[in-house]
Amino acid sequence: RKEVEQDPGPFNVPEGATVAFNCTYSNSASQSFFWYRQDCRKEPKLLMSVYSSGNEDGRFTAQLNRASQYISLLIRDSKLSDSATYLCVVIVGPGGYQKVTFGIGTKLQVIP
Amino acid sequence: DTGVSQDPRHKITKRGQNVTFRCDPISEHNRLYWYRQTLGQGPEFLTYFQNEAQLEKSRLLSDRFSAERPKGSFSTLEIQRTEQGDSAMYLCASSSRQGQETQYFGPGTRLLVL
Repeated sequence: RKEVEQDPGPFNVPEGATVAFNCTYSNSASQSFFWYRQDCRKEPKLLMSVYSSGNEDGRFTAQLNRASQYISLLIRDSKLSDSATYLCVVIVGPGGYQKVTFGIGTKLQVIP
Repeated sequence: DTGVSQDPRHKITKRGQNVTFRCDPISEHNRLYWYRQTLGQGPEFLTYFQNEAQLEKSRLLSDRFSAERPKGSFSTLEIQRTEQGDSAMYLCASSSRQGQETQYFGPGTRLLVL
């Protein structure tokens, strides 16, 4: 089993739709979780940190389910500009020693 | 611009040559990471520094790869005797020890080995 798994998609959704992505992780000791957005041929940019209590930023909501070992990203009212690849990141280890694992990314295409 | 910078942005080399990439992190960040990304894949962790100490190295980092961060500021990644399979985007990221350790990425160095 991969350490971090994502459905690569593509997810093709119409403008205005709600879309959700999941990312599962295998290491129960994982401590920090993030969602990054990556546009074609660009570097990843932080979208959201994922907190245990869940967090929301405008149209974006991130959730963490430790029992089932997955994180999720919900995008409401999709815009054309949301078209990108969404990468989940899982970090194991506090302080100095840490292991960082990215998922393969989920490609989202929002269509007019 | 106070973000992470990388140099060069593009590099074309012939198989067998050595290449060196540089990363300048955000100035107050003490952690620095190197990743490799190929088409259709997420970034793969290569190595990680906290200040000048290299704390983690992936098994992906073969003996042809070496990274340094001599003064705890900028870092270099060297690939010796390049192979065609080394063609990829090499990304650098930095983070602060405070907070949730959010990593901020540089624009990457795109390497093509002919």
